[in-house]
Amino acid sequence: EAQVTQNPRYLITVTGKKLTVTCSQNMNHEYMSWYRQDPGLGLRQIYYSMNVEVTDKGDVPEGYKVSRKEKRNFPLILESPSPNQTSLYFCASRRRGASEQYFGPGTRLTVT
Amino acid sequence: AQTVTQSQPEMSVQEAETVTLSCTYDTSESDYYLFWYKQPPSRQMILVIRQEAYKQQNATENRFSVNFQKAAKSFSLKISDSQLGDAAMYFCAYRTPTGANSKLTFGKGITLSVRP
Repeated sequence: EAQVTQNPRYLITVTGKKLTVTCSQNMNHEYMSWYRQDPGLGLRQIYYSMNVEVTDKGDVPEGYKVSRKEKRNFPLILESPSPNQTSLYFCASRRRGASEQYFGPGTRLTVT
Repeated sequence: AQTVTQSQPEMSVQEAETVTLSCTYDTSESDYYLFWYKQPPSRQMILVIRQEAYKQQNATENRFSVNFQKAAKSFSLKISDSQLGDAAMYFCAYRTPTGANSKLTFGKGITLSVRP
């Protein structure tokens, strides 16, 4: 089954404790991206990747890092999480040239 | 920069009735995609319908259809014969087909409730 997976689905952590949210897709898609969803703001792009070893900032990259060492994986790293990073996070992927973007199930992160 | 505006934060519809969700966008591009996504309580993002800007014909998917007015930069979603399972948050989104980062730009969303 074609899908985008994220882990963990839920995470409660404390300020400053480094964490990684994993994202993996099995569709051989070139393009992957991370979004965060906050009430009243919709979804906003954090980082994106056009292909392996090619990443760039989206609209709200502060406090986040990413890497793309393999085509299928695009982890989101929070080196020192803060409460303002409490949010719902989505990973998404798309084949180059295609219109449809596939979303993961979301990760609910709470930073206390 | 492209922007997507959903001015109604909430709407309600009676089961079996028709409801229209509004969306406007701003862009200087001539070629782009428009989407409506549904987000039920499970939080999964589900693509409802898509429209290519170069197509004059409005997209339709079963009970869902759009009214695409390119000159007015308007992209409304019509849900016919509303069902209880249609209750969700709906997001309008825009994307250019080309470019280094043809990201999705989302509106703030609208919460649709369906009254039995």
